Amino acid sequence: DVKVTQSSRYLVKRTGEKVFLECVQDMDHENMFWYRQDPGLGLRLIYFSYDVKMKEKGDIPEGYSVSREKKERFSLILESASTNQTSMYLCASSLRVGYTFGSGTRLTVV
Amino acid sequence: GENVEQHPSTLSVQEGDSAVIKCTYSDSASNYFPWYKQELGKRPQLIIDIRSNVGEKKDQRIAVTLNKTAKHFSLHITETQPEDSAVYFCAAGTPANFGNEKLTFGTGTRLTIIP
Repeated sequence: DVKVTQSSRYLVKRTGEKVFLECVQDMDHENMFWYRQDPGLGLRLIYFSYDVKMKEKGDIPEGYSVSREKKERFSLILESASTNQTSMYLCASSLRVGYTFGSGTRLTVV
Repeated sequence: GENVEQHPSTLSVQEGDSAVIKCTYSDSASNYFPWYKQELGKRPQLIIDIRSNVGEKKDQRIAVTLNKTAKHFSLHITETQPEDSAVYFCAAGTPANFGNEKLTFGTGTRLTIIP
């Protein structure tokens, strides 16, 4: 059973802070994704990666960056956190299709 | 890019009755249509999926239908039970690099089963 682990369940950060959200998967999946989930808006794709050191922008990349130095780890970076980035962040991985999601990180920016 | 619309946003159904959730998509290149169930406080989990070369797929009480011409697909849950209460998301998979796909999700349907 694929396990996707997000390092923090809850985070509270201050406006302007640099924030790192970490995601690790243990099944050697090629593909990893970061989504944010907001009520009434569903899941929106921020960034994704199909291989180490490879990244592509999703639908809402502004204010975010990512890093994939190792196949199992995909990090989401908020360069300068803002209150409109308060959200639930979900990481997912897949081999080809059929995502497996992490438990999510609820980030509050104050 | 792909755009997925999902209706209704909320749905209340008497236990034992059927529930239907509908989605439309815009990109004719989309060829993979999964459905995810998210229980309160938990991660979304895949419950059923369908490829564009198939019109219908069934797994016990849940079924998905796809009309590629009209670009819409639906989730059907029969004989609903209290444990079916959750938020359901549809998604459309669009081919991307190297044979991989990325998913665009609908906005979700909160299904409540009334005992």
